[in-house]
Amino acid sequence: SQQGEEDPQALSIQEGENATMNCSYKTSINNLQWYRQNSGRGLVHLILIRSNEREKHSGRLRVTLDTSKKSSSLLITASRAADTASYFCATAGGYGGSQGNLIFGKGTKLSVKP
Amino acid sequence: EAQVTQNPRYLITVTGKKLTVTCSQNMNHEYMSWYRQDPGLGLRQIYYSMNVEVTDKGDVPEGYKVSRKEKRNFPLILESPSPNQTSLYFCASSFSEASGVNEQFFGPGTRLTVL
Repeated sequence: SQQGEEDPQALSIQEGENATMNCSYKTSINNLQWYRQNSGRGLVHLILIRSNEREKHSGRLRVTLDTSKKSSSLLITASRAADTASYFCATAGGYGGSQGNLIFGKGTKLSVKP
Repeated sequence: EAQVTQNPRYLITVTGKKLTVTCSQNMNHEYMSWYRQDPGLGLRQIYYSMNVEVTDKGDVPEGYKVSRKEKRNFPLILESPSPNQTSLYFCASSFSEASGVNEQFFGPGTRLTVL
């Protein structure tokens, strides 16, 4: 089942603008992770936020998590052409049998125009 | 260099011919996982392993087998491949702890075509 669902599916912005992507999920989670994928290549981990955290920063990235709404957002500030990629959220289950079951969303395709 | 390697990177085969895609990591990670990626469907988890000799089904395990006899290796076996298994496959590994799976390191992918 697809738990993490990103929104929007595609986003096109100019260099220097901010990009915001959203992710919604359905069940309880231990943590939520964001990944980037350049066309057809392996995914690269960006940031992990735990269920007891509300906000996390890493360089130009800011992630928020609202467990009451079962949603997360990824903000990329001052975007660059090199940020052009697909972005995925992945939810990691809670304790017990679902711990290793990571569910990825379908991704947001970001295009940053120079 | 810390990495996850997959072999082969590209494979074209025919229906019913058994194949194995190997995955190896050199980071001493407990957790390993296989995903397939199809257009419009994102990544879907096939099988995962929390540690040696511990494997479990993901969301799309039908038609696949795995084994975890050593910590570094996690091969994906297709006993009788069918055209609907044509896909881009990724292996990933991670440290795991009582609180769950951490950031995953992904291999470069294996593009499989089943005719």
